[in-house]
Amino acid sequence: GDSVTQMEGPVTLSEEAFLTINCTYTATGYPSLFWYVQYPGEGLQLLLKATKADDKGSNKGFEATYRKETTSFHLEKGSVQVSDSAVYFCALSDAGGTSYGKLTFGQGTILTVHP
Amino acid sequence: EAGVTQSPTHLIKTRGQQATLRCSPISGHTSVYWYQQALGLGLQFLLWYDEGEERNRGNFPPRFSGRQFPNYSSELNVNALELEDSALYLCASSWDSTNSNQPQHFGDGTRLSIL
Repeated sequence: GDSVTQMEGPVTLSEEAFLTINCTYTATGYPSLFWYVQYPGEGLQLLLKATKADDKGSNKGFEATYRKETTSFHLEKGSVQVSDSAVYFCALSDAGGTSYGKLTFGQGTILTVHP
Repeated sequence: EAGVTQSPTHLIKTRGQQATLRCSPISGHTSVYWYQQALGLGLQFLLWYDEGEERNRGNFPPRFSGRQFPNYSSELNVNALELEDSALYLCASSWDSTNSNQPQHFGDGTRLSIL
């Protein structure tokens, strides 16, 4: 079945540091890929998405490129802020078989940014 | 545009009781999804409703059930509550369930605590 694997956390950075959160996936079809962010006490917010190979999703300074050859969708940001502290989830949506209609999530990565 | 709304925000029950959680999707969205976010277990897909019908179900026992109303709002019912049902229950909606490119938009969740 489909699966998503994120890098182990938590990740602690200083403000203005470069961020990478690794995400790799396994899917039977041609999935769409998403990054969601969850701030404390809140639900998930869509951060960015990519729907086909080599697509780059971007939002609020975050970027991720859909790499089919390495089955990866790593999240990057050039300069993090304290306000970026949150939990980040990589997810895929695959229209095939038992995965139809659902998002499959990675385990989440806790990011803490210090001033 | 109003987002996905869930009620109640918090719900406290005892073992063996029944819980009902409610969700109103974004206007124009016809699909509603339910996820369980238990501590340390990540996000698990529960149910997907579209046009009033259950379309897919995750690996949960039958005591987890729900329905979707003609106005596309939804209820999640959990019978015979167990301690392990304590979790944040997230509802999401989307407007085109046949297109896996469409992102799901999440509410802030209902925190269910079982005493």
